[in-house]
Amino acid sequence: DQQVKQNSPSLSVQEGRISILNCDYTNSMFDYFLWYKKYPAEGPTFLISISSIKDKNEDGRFTVFLNKSAKHLSLHIVPSQPGDSAVYFCAASAGNQFYFGTGTSLTVIP
Amino acid sequence: NAGVMQNPRHLVRRRGQEARLRCSPMKGHSHVYWYRQLPEEGLKFMVYLQKENIIDESGMPKERFSAEFPKEGPSILRIQQVVRGDSAAYFCASSPGVGGDGPQHFGDGTRLSIL
Repeated sequence: DQQVKQNSPSLSVQEGRISILNCDYTNSMFDYFLWYKKYPAEGPTFLISISSIKDKNEDGRFTVFLNKSAKHLSLHIVPSQPGDSAVYFCAASAGNQFYFGTGTSLTVIP
Repeated sequence: NAGVMQNPRHLVRRRGQEARLRCSPMKGHSHVYWYRQLPEEGLKFMVYLQKENIIDESGMPKERFSAEFPKEGPSILRIQQVVRGDSAAYFCASSPGVGGDGPQHFGDGTRLSIL
């Protein structure tokens, strides 16, 4: 059972515009959420996280939004840059385990 | 990803052989996680270990797979009698604690190919 879902396998955005990546989860016990970025042939790199006591966390061009009632997480990248082209994974944690989505491949078009 | 070291980066085995994958966590991290990524799929949790202890192996296949994290040395994921379906990328991650104590940091993975 997939407790963390990324329903869009791919997304294309023009350089300079906003990229919005979405993630849904089913387990209301999750209390810590993360986004990772992955280039081919490399491991995922941590981007930004948010705990369940907050609804927004910002770090430079990256902002994560958490809607607990909808069990929905999103990552906003603005402005998008060609170097942002990668696969983005969302993850959620309750205790020991981290559950990952299947990823969204972002392409930023110059 | 330089902090978490995995080796080898690529491993080729024939069916029936054993595969050993190694992971050295980041300095100061005592929590190690192993994940498997099959083509076109996300990261699937396999096992969570602390030094000398397996904490959660609920994602590990019941047969042929084992993991350890000895007091000294790297964590080892061992796959005995490999089959074609074991071909995947295996990622190791480490963290300073659990859940909200801090994010996991990943190595660059070992790509296992079974001939």
